[in-house]
Amino acid sequence: AQKITQTQPGMFVQEKEAVTLDCTYDTSDQSYGLFWYKQPSSGEMIFLIYQGSYDEQNATEGRYSLNFQKARKSANLVISASQLGDSAMYFCAMREGDQGGSEKLVFGKGTKLTVNP
Amino acid sequence: ETGVTQTPRHLVMGMTNKKSLKCEQHLGHNAMYWYKQSAKKPLELMFVYNFKEQTENNSVPSRFSPECPNSSHLFLHLHTLQPEDSALYLCASSQRGTGADFGEKLFFGSGTQLSVL
Repeated sequence: AQKITQTQPGMFVQEKEAVTLDCTYDTSDQSYGLFWYKQPSSGEMIFLIYQGSYDEQNATEGRYSLNFQKARKSANLVISASQLGDSAMYFCAMREGDQGGSEKLVFGKGTKLTVNP
Repeated sequence: ETGVTQTPRHLVMGMTNKKSLKCEQHLGHNAMYWYKQSAKKPLELMFVYNFKEQTENNSVPSRFSPECPNSSHLFLHLHTLQPEDSALYLCASSQRGTGADFGEKLFFGSGTQLSVL
């Protein structure tokens, strides 16, 4: 079974509108961390936002927010006021395990976001 | 200057060639990683170096040979590769603490796009 599922291979959004990218995860651990990374065409994976499993508030970083629904095991990324530069691949990732080391970081297959002018 | 620099950006090699990928991080981190990104597949962890010691080899074939001479530099030596090894190879670094840190962030380079003919 996949640990991280991103069901949207591609998404389109109009500039200045908000968009939600879906991510569900599978773990039996109580302690884990959830990440979103952005990968533009240049190839570099850019960290966007992090949510810890015990964090009660949804994480926010500028125009990015993470809609964390623990019971549903979902960690959707919301991008507000989309910009043309937001066009990229977006990856959801989860870190689990006793030690929380980076060896346990698992990525989803990604969603390609296209922002239209 | 970006935090994690990878060279070359593109590499085309035959199956009998020997080549090396180079990664340098300027962030003062103590852990470095090699990831493989193939089309339509999630990011795959290959190797982890923690304080220059290899702590993870994720069942990678021996035709891939990593080297970490110091905490700032990481190499991936390639020999007798197969066409299915064609992929984007990403280097990353992080600062690891002594305890579990589910929020530990990875910083990535722009990758080397490898084509094996």
